[in-house]
Amino acid sequence: AQKITQTQPGMFVQEKEAVTLDCTYDTSDPSYGLFWYKQPSSGEMIFLIYQGSYDQQNATEGRYSLNFQKARKSANLVISASQLGDSAMYFCAMRETRRPGSARQLTFGSGTQLTVLP
Amino acid sequence: KAGVTQTPRYLIKTRGQQVTLSCSPISGHRSVSWYQQTPGQGLQFLFEYFSETQRNKGNFPGRFSGRQFSNSRSEMNVSTLELGDSALYLCASSFALAAGELFFGEGSRLTVL
Repeated sequence: AQKITQTQPGMFVQEKEAVTLDCTYDTSDPSYGLFWYKQPSSGEMIFLIYQGSYDQQNATEGRYSLNFQKARKSANLVISASQLGDSAMYFCAMRETRRPGSARQLTFGSGTQLTVLP
Repeated sequence: KAGVTQTPRYLIKTRGQQVTLSCSPISGHRSVSWYQQTPGQGLQFLFEYFSETQRNKGNFPGRFSGRQFSNSRSEMNVSTLELGDSALYLCASSFALAAGELFFGEGSRLTVL
């Protein structure tokens, strides 16, 4: 069974500094996708970045980058130049893609609450 | 392009009642998934619909059901509400079944008294 672990319940970062949010995963499927979502207090889950298990390069999207270390089964999110608006809950998620369709749901970690300090 | 729309945003029910939540996916998206989010259990997958058929189901009792219409809009229903059903119910859409990123709505926050 797939499993996502986020060990940091809460993180603080100073505005304009970089921060890394940890995510480790466990799967026996060689083909999978990793996602990061941001959830502000409004409740909506906002897609940030995606990394495929066969992607050779780490994914980047603006100020977001994914530090993908396949052998260690980690997919840490790096936010550069933090802004006050980055304060939110961040979720790591995974989807196994080789399994039958009925098992390919997106599974989420427990989340990390990021607070950006002025 | 309009995002995923969920209604109602907030609702309060009492134990034993039933509730129906609605979700309109992004135009062109044919897959709709539902998640329950609680402080204790986090985000838990309820079910996924594609082309009006339930394709994937999480580990929830039969009181939780859903359906999808020909225009891809989806509804979920919870019957015989329990206090533990209080949660944020999130709907997400995607273009394909069980693939790609999900685009979420703002959720329906259900309180059961």
